[in-house]
Amino acid sequence: QVQLVESGGGVVQPGTSLRLSCAASGFIFSSHIMHWVRQAPGKALEWVALTSYDGGEKKYAASVKGRFSVSRDNSKSTVYLDMKDLTPEDSAVYYCARGGFDLLSDRLDSWGQGTLVNVSS
Amino acid sequence: DIQVTQSPSSLSASVGDRVTFTCRASQDISDALSWFQQRPGQAPKLLIYDTSSLQSGVPSRFSASGSGTDFTLTINSLQPEDVATYYCLQDYTTPYSFGQGTKLEIK
Repeated sequence: QVQLVESGGGVVQPGTSLRLSCAASGFIFSSHIMHWVRQAPGKALEWVALTSYDGGEKKYAASVKGRFSVSRDNSKSTVYLDMKDLTPEDSAVYYCARGGFDLLSDRLDSWGQGTLVNVSS
Repeated sequence: DIQVTQSPSSLSASVGDRVTFTCRASQDISDALSWFQQRPGQAPKLLIYDTSSLQSGVPSRFSASGSGTDFTLTINSLQPEDVATYYCLQDYTTPYSFGQGTKLEIK
């Protein structure tokens, strides 16, 4: 079955960087768009970024553009989210989610359990 | 960017009731709308995609409809395990955007 396991969260100081990872199994990873979605404590879901199946296309939310970078290693079935210049507003549970095969048939149909990022001094 | 507005923000209903959630997009998104259920302490779960397609394994008491800018999710015969927050997501164009959620409680 599809499994997504996020890691890399923790407590970091404002202005620092962090890399999140999401290890996938149970499906052909290299065929799917992958997404990152976050949720601040007690708040709504916020879509963060996506990478196409081959990493050739990447899209970002305005709130993270220029600070966050999504990438993937299909040989390791892993997607990454590199975050820099972190602020307390970036504190959230970060989920990775499996997307469709392309943007015309995209759907976030499987989710990991999330990893918590706490940006605090 | 497309804004998505959900209503109501919270809802209380009895077991067996029919409940309806609404989602409105700030511009025409065709049928590119999904619905998610998030139970307390859990990750979101896809219920509906492409406005009205039921995701595999989701109970048939869940249904949805709409097009363009106005969309609804309906739960027929509410069950105790349906207590959750429900989110809609427009995936018509990036940046994708979620609604602010509707919290469903049992009376």
